[in-house]
Amino acid sequence: SQQGEEDPQALSIQEGENATMNCSYKTSINNLQWYRQNSGRGLVHLILIRSNEREKHSGRLRVTLDTSKKSSSLLITASRAADTASYFCATVLTANFGNEKLTFGTGTRLTIIP
Amino acid sequence: DTGVSQDPRHKITKRGQNVTFRCDPISEHNRLYWYRQTLGQGPEFLTYFQNEAQLEKSRLLSDRFSAERPKGSFSTLEIQRTEQGDSAMYLCASRLGSAGGLNNEQFFGPGTRLTVL
Repeated sequence: SQQGEEDPQALSIQEGENATMNCSYKTSINNLQWYRQNSGRGLVHLILIRSNEREKHSGRLRVTLDTSKKSSSLLITASRAADTASYFCATVLTANFGNEKLTFGTGTRLTIIP
Repeated sequence: DTGVSQDPRHKITKRGQNVTFRCDPISEHNRLYWYRQTLGQGPEFLTYFQNEAQLEKSRLLSDRFSAERPKGSFSTLEIQRTEQGDSAMYLCASRLGSAGGLNNEQFFGPGTRLTVL
């Protein structure tokens, strides 16, 4: 079963604009990760944020985590055509900290219009 | 290229046939995971190995599914008597795990897309 839901399910923006995706989850987590998946391909890890962190940056990516609301957001600034992909949040539940299996959300399909 | 490879990349089979997929993880990674992803959904956990030991299996993994990781290196996932509902992308991931549970990312392979006719 999916742990999280992502919002929106699909997002289309003009190149150069910022893209924001949100993820909500249901149970206590150890960390939350964001992955990108190009059409029909494997997943690429983007960023990991621990449960005791509130914000993290990596290049054009900014991730926030609000454990009280059980939600996270991924901001991609100055979007490029190459950012077109599906984006998934994945959580490592506190209960699964030993095996670190990932529980994925349903994903946001991002399309950057050149 | 993440360093994790999967073979084959695509497999088309007829219902009732057996299929086997292979995953080669990053060599120093002791943990290996299998996930299944259906169209429009996020990946779902199937099973996981630490070295050669299979430590957890999801309820999604019916008796027709078996996974192995001999010698703690590559892994195989076999599906017997395939059904149309088995059609999906099968993803393998590996990571370096430790007793302390470092917050390490998982590295995913490109996946094997299975189509059961």
